[in-house]
Amino acid sequence: RKEVEQDPGPFNVPEGATVAFNCTYSNSASQSFFWYRQDCRKEPKLLMSVYSSGNEDGRFTAQLNRASQYISLLIRDSKLSDSATYLCVVSRVDSSYKLIFGSGTRLLVRP
Amino acid sequence: DVKVTQSSRYLVKRTGEKVFLECVQDMDHENMFWYRQDPGLGLRLIYFSYDVKMKEKGDIPEGYSVSREKKERFSLILESASTNQTSMYLCASAGPSLGGYTFGSGTRLTVV
Repeated sequence: RKEVEQDPGPFNVPEGATVAFNCTYSNSASQSFFWYRQDCRKEPKLLMSVYSSGNEDGRFTAQLNRASQYISLLIRDSKLSDSATYLCVVSRVDSSYKLIFGSGTRLLVRP
Repeated sequence: DVKVTQSSRYLVKRTGEKVFLECVQDMDHENMFWYRQDPGLGLRLIYFSYDVKMKEKGDIPEGYSVSREKKERFSLILESASTNQTSMYLCASAGPSLGGYTFGSGTRLTVV
């Protein structure tokens, strides 16, 4: 079983739609959680950290459910520019500096 | 903003060659990382360094070595390049308060 699992997609949605991605992680002792965004042929970039209380950044909302070991990302009012791959990222238990990356969920926003 | 610079965007090397991939960061970060990214496999950690001259193996260190002689520079070395090392290589750095990594723009290496 992969340490971080994501549905690869693609999720194909119209502009203005709300879309949600989930991610599950295997180690209940993981401490830090993130969503990264990666555009085609570019490097991953930090989108947002994920906190137990949930957090919001504009149209993006991230939630963490420690009991079920899953992380979610909700994007409201999708824009064409949101088209990218979204990587779910979890810190390793042996070192919070080492991160484990999911394979990513691809989002396509169509006009 | 932290800047992480990888020396080459694209490289083509022959099987058996020794290959050096260079990475430089400008924010005095202690932690630096080398990952490779392959379709369907995601990012996999090759090596990690938490200080000058300190290194740790990641998940897939075989066929690779690293060098960290200065804090700002972390080099990945392919001792004898093989075709299965054709991949996108990504360098990253992180400071002491973990707030995620900053990645370089990547080096797409093709071994023929």
